[in-house]
Amino acid sequence: SAVISQKPSRDICQRGTSLTIQCQVDSQVTMMFWYRQQPGQSLTLIATANQGSEATYESGFVIDKFPISRPNLTFSTLTVSNMSPEDSSIYLCSARLYGTNTEAFFGQGTRLTVV
Amino acid sequence: GENVEQHPSTLSVQEGDSAVIKCTYSDSASNYFPWYKQELGKRPQLIIDIRSNVGEKKDQRIAVTLNKTAKHFSLHITETQPEDSAVYFCAARGGGADGLTFGKGTHLIIQP
Repeated sequence: SAVISQKPSRDICQRGTSLTIQCQVDSQVTMMFWYRQQPGQSLTLIATANQGSEATYESGFVIDKFPISRPNLTFSTLTVSNMSPEDSSIYLCSARLYGTNTEAFFGQGTRLTVV
Repeated sequence: GENVEQHPSTLSVQEGDSAVIKCTYSDSASNYFPWYKQELGKRPQLIIDIRSNVGEKKDQRIAVTLNKTAKHFSLHITETQPEDSAVYFCAARGGGADGLTFGKGTHLIIQP
């Protein structure tokens, strides 16, 4: 099993500012992903965080708005840039453990409120 | 890209009865189908998954079936208990894609 730690767990931010969310996994992983979950809704994949190269973004998400870093195998950050109230959501990271082909683990999520 | 439809959006069953949640997917190349349980305010928790080379998988009171021809898969929970109350999400990993596409979720309510 693995533990995925995200921080911060929640934040209230002013519009126009940026927030960086960190995700740390305590085991070896191959893939790391970032999802968004708006209150009461499903999860939407934002991007795949690639180690040492640019993230792969899903349709509707762009690097300028959601820059992602993954400097090593077990750590990634997601920045929500130039925030607006529409960015208020829960952001979750997940990871695929080395030697498996399953997304078994999610971080606890970062609840972001933009005012 | 992949599209996953999930039904019903809300399901209320009597404690001890069975619950069935159904999902369809669009990408015939999809090869991995997990189910997650999410309790209020908590992270999604993987409860069972199935791969495209298997038709059925069981884990105690939970089972998942997959029909590749029809492109649908279902979650079956037997002998439901109050702690089964939660939102359940199906998901699919499309061929060539690395991340998951989720269904909209089913709010399962277990009536005592």
